[in-house]
Amino acid sequence: EVQLVQSGGGLVEPGGSLRLSCAASGFTFSDAWMTWVRQAPGKGLEWVGHIKSQRHGGTTDYAAPVKDRFTVSRDDSKNMFYLQMNSLKAEDRAVYYCATEFHGALNFWGQGTLVTVSS
Amino acid sequence: DIVMTQSPDSLAVSLGERATINCKSSQSLLYTSNNKNNLAWYQQQPGQPPKPLIYWASTRASGVPDRFSGSGSGTDFTLTISTLQAEDVAVYYCQQYYATPWTFGQGTKVEIK
Repeated sequence: EVQLVQSGGGLVEPGGSLRLSCAASGFTFSDAWMTWVRQAPGKGLEWVGHIKSQRHGGTTDYAAPVKDRFTVSRDDSKNMFYLQMNSLKAEDRAVYYCATEFHGALNFWGQGTLVTVSS
Repeated sequence: DIVMTQSPDSLAVSLGERATINCKSSQSLLYTSNNKNNLAWYQQQPGQPPKPLIYWASTRASGVPDRFSGSGSGTDFTLTISTLQAEDVAVYYCQQYYATPWTFGQGTKVEIK
């Protein structure tokens, strides 16, 4: 059974940093492309960024609002996927989901974790 | 960026009746190399992560009931729930994966009339 279990999140002050983690199991993690999606309270879904499998170069891509502030990474030896968020703004407040990506479609999702940016 | 626009924003349908949601993209999502449309549909119930329903515009994800179907090509797509059940009350999103950044429609809320 595929499982994505998220951790991290919480309250951080504007300008602060936070790291989200996503522990994967039940599939060959090293072959998977992994994505972060966020959802502001009461709003729709917004793609944040993704990382390809090492076999496909391990490259990353980001949405414009988070580019140069957020970093997606992976540790295939631990089946872990990360989102490092720096210079956080109030508008980054959202539930963040990790997901597996198959040709761009998002087929398995984590449970989500809330990030609140407030002083 | 590819803009995805869903219609309507919400709809109320009687139990057992048909629900139809439309999704329009600002450019074609059809890869001519494999003749597939890079369009997915998701269902999100309150407090839950999205659940995939449809890939490649018309392929049902594993375990999805056959009352859910997807159609369309190019820039115009439709999600149809043939006979609405109480458990189908949710927000539905389309998503393009033709080019990054992947983008979603704004969502359509489906309720029981």
